[in-house]
Amino acid sequence: DTEVTQTPKHLVMGMTNKKSLKCEQHMGHRAMYWYKQKAKKPPELMFVYSYEKLSINESVPSRFSPECPNSSLLNLHLHALQPEDSALYLCASSQEQKTSIKLAKNIQYFGAGTRLSVL
Amino acid sequence: AQTVTQSQPEMSVQEAETVTLSCTYDTSENNYYLFWYKQPPSRQMILVIRQEAYKQQNATENRFSVNFQKAAKSFSLKISDSQLGDTAMYFCAFIIQGAQKLVFGQGTRLTINP
Repeated sequence: DTEVTQTPKHLVMGMTNKKSLKCEQHMGHRAMYWYKQKAKKPPELMFVYSYEKLSINESVPSRFSPECPNSSLLNLHLHALQPEDSALYLCASSQEQKTSIKLAKNIQYFGAGTRLSVL
Repeated sequence: AQTVTQSQPEMSVQEAETVTLSCTYDTSENNYYLFWYKQPPSRQMILVIRQEAYKQQNATENRFSVNFQKAAKSFSLKISDSQLGDTAMYFCAFIIQGAQKLVFGQGTRLTINP
C-alpha cells in the first residue's frame, strides 16, 4: 500500500479565513513533505518533517504553518492567505534516512492534492 | 546547483506508438536517484519508474523503460505501445542520496490520441 490521503480535495477560502489541510499515510514513513504546485509547473517544496520534527522550511511565508502531530499525520494551517496562494497543495511521504534500504528512503509517494482557491 | 531540463514542453502521439521523453540533469554528486513521475488530470503524482545512478542497467517497468547515460547526464523515458491512459504531465526528477529535496524538471505534457 503506497497511499497518501489528503483532505479536503477542494477548498475555497477568503483572505481572512483560517483553514487547515490534512495529510495522512500509514506506510510507516517518517519523512513527510508539503509541496505547492501552480498550473503547468512542477511542484515546489515548502516544508519537510523528519521524525515529526521540521527539517526544511523553504522560506515559506508565515501565513502557512505546518504541523506534524504524529508519524502518520501532517497538517498545513492556513491563515490570511493571498489570491496568489491559490494552487494545488501536494503532500508526500518517504522512508527516513535511517532505513538500510537506500532506494526506498529516496522515493517520495504523493497524495492527490488539495486544490485551494483564495478569493 | 542541481537542475533538471526537459526540453519538450508538449508531445503528441497516436495510440500504440512508441514515444520517448527527454531529460537531462546537472549535478556534481555521484550518488543519486532518478525518477519519472506521471501526473494525469486527476492530479495525483504517480511514480512511473526509478533508477539508481550507481546501476548501469536501465530500469524497466512493463511498457516503460529508461535510457540512462550517466556520463551524458541523460535520463530519457520510453513508453512503448502507448495507451490513452498514458495522457498526462510527465516530470523527470532526481534526488541526491541523503538529501530530502527532489529536483524536478519543468515537465512534458504528453497526449495520446485515439
